[in-house]
Amino acid sequence: GNSVTQMEGPVTLSEEAFLTINCTYTATGYPSLFWYVQYPGEGLQLLLKATKADDKGSNKGFEATYRKETTSFHLEKGSVQVSDSAVYFCALSDRTSGSRLTFGEGTQLTVNP
Amino acid sequence: DSGVTQTPKHLITATGQRVTLRCSPRSGDLSVYWYQQSLDQGLQFLIHYYNGEERAKGNILERFSAQQFPDLHSELNLSSLELGDSALYFCASSVDTYEQYFGPGTRLTVT
Repeated sequence: GNSVTQMEGPVTLSEEAFLTINCTYTATGYPSLFWYVQYPGEGLQLLLKATKADDKGSNKGFEATYRKETTSFHLEKGSVQVSDSAVYFCALSDRTSGSRLTFGEGTQLTVNP
Repeated sequence: DSGVTQTPKHLITATGQRVTLRCSPRSGDLSVYWYQQSLDQGLQFLIHYYNGEERAKGNILERFSAQQFPDLHSELNLSSLELGDSALYFCASSVDTYEQYFGPGTRLTVT
């Protein structure tokens, strides 16, 4: 079955530091890949997506590239802000399992001023 | 604001009781998904409805059921509640299979 593995957290950074959150996946088909963000007390917000190999998703300074050869979709940001503090979830969906999302465990990011 | 609404925001109830969670999808979205978020299980897919029909089931307990009505809103019914059912329940909607938009969630506490 499908699965998503994220780097273990929590991650604590200083403002303006570089962020990488690793995500690898296992899927039977050709999945679409997503990063969602959950701010405290809120629901999940779609941050970015990629639907095929070598696609790069980007939004609000965050980027992730769909790497089929390494089955990865690592999230990066060049300079984090305090307002980026949240939980980040990597997820996939593919047609063989319907359109359900399979999520990773989530990575708590805290950015200190 | 994703455009997906969920009510109630919080729900506190006792073991053995039954509750109903409600979700209104974004305008124009025909698909509704339910997910459970708990500390031990993470985010788990429960069930998917498309235009009133059940399309897929995930790790949904037999004590749980859902439906989608002609106006496309959906309800998740949880019965014979146990302490372990305490969790955040999210609804999401989509117009296609690629992007799902999540509501703010209902936090269920079973005491």
